[in-house]
Amino acid sequence: KQEVTQIPAALSVPEGENLVLNCSFTDSAIYNLQWFRQDPGKGLTSLLLIQSSQREQTSGRLNASLDKSSGRSTLYIAASQPGDSATYLCAVPSGSRLTFGEGTQLTVNP
Amino acid sequence: NAGVTQTPKFQVLKTGQSMTLQCAQDMNHEYMSWYRQDPGMGLRLIHYSVGAGITDQGEVPNGYNVSRSTTEDFPLRLLSAAPSQTSVYFCASSYSQSGANVLTFGAGSRLTVL
Repeated sequence: KQEVTQIPAALSVPEGENLVLNCSFTDSAIYNLQWFRQDPGKGLTSLLLIQSSQREQTSGRLNASLDKSSGRSTLYIAASQPGDSATYLCAVPSGSRLTFGEGTQLTVNP
Repeated sequence: NAGVTQTPKFQVLKTGQSMTLQCAQDMNHEYMSWYRQDPGMGLRLIHYSVGAGITDQGEVPNGYNVSRSTTEDFPLRLLSAAPSQTSVYFCASSYSQSGANVLTFGAGSRLTVL
């Protein structure tokens, strides 16, 4: 059974700092990985999708990498802003469904 | 486009009551799914559908029923609510991009069962 773990569970940083969120998965036979953002009281918004053939994917200040062999993905956020405060979740496919990590709750302080 | 619309946003039920959480999408997505989100347990798949007339069980289906009579709608029914079903419920629809299901989530429905 696929298991997805995200470390740390919570992170608080000052504005402007670069930061890395980690995601690990137990079954490396995946064909993609997705990163989502969830704001308090809201649904999830898809941020980045990395195919297994890619090593990284970029969107603005966000960069996600994928290392299937080690079962890891990282989400790098450059020059963090208070508006980046949210919970970030990663998810991998298990058949026709997605298995989610529990997320990292990020707070960026002004 | 409204995306994925869930109703109601909040609901309080008594044990044993029944109710239906509504989910509608206007993106013509074939795939729809229901998740529940609980502290310490993350998001867990309840039921999903790959198209009208087709539904299947997810990770935690007990106590829930679904149907998919149209592409747009995917209601989730609780037949006899239990306190263990207190949770936040998310509906999602998705399209396939290079073999990946790219999900669009609704805003969620917070259910409390007393």
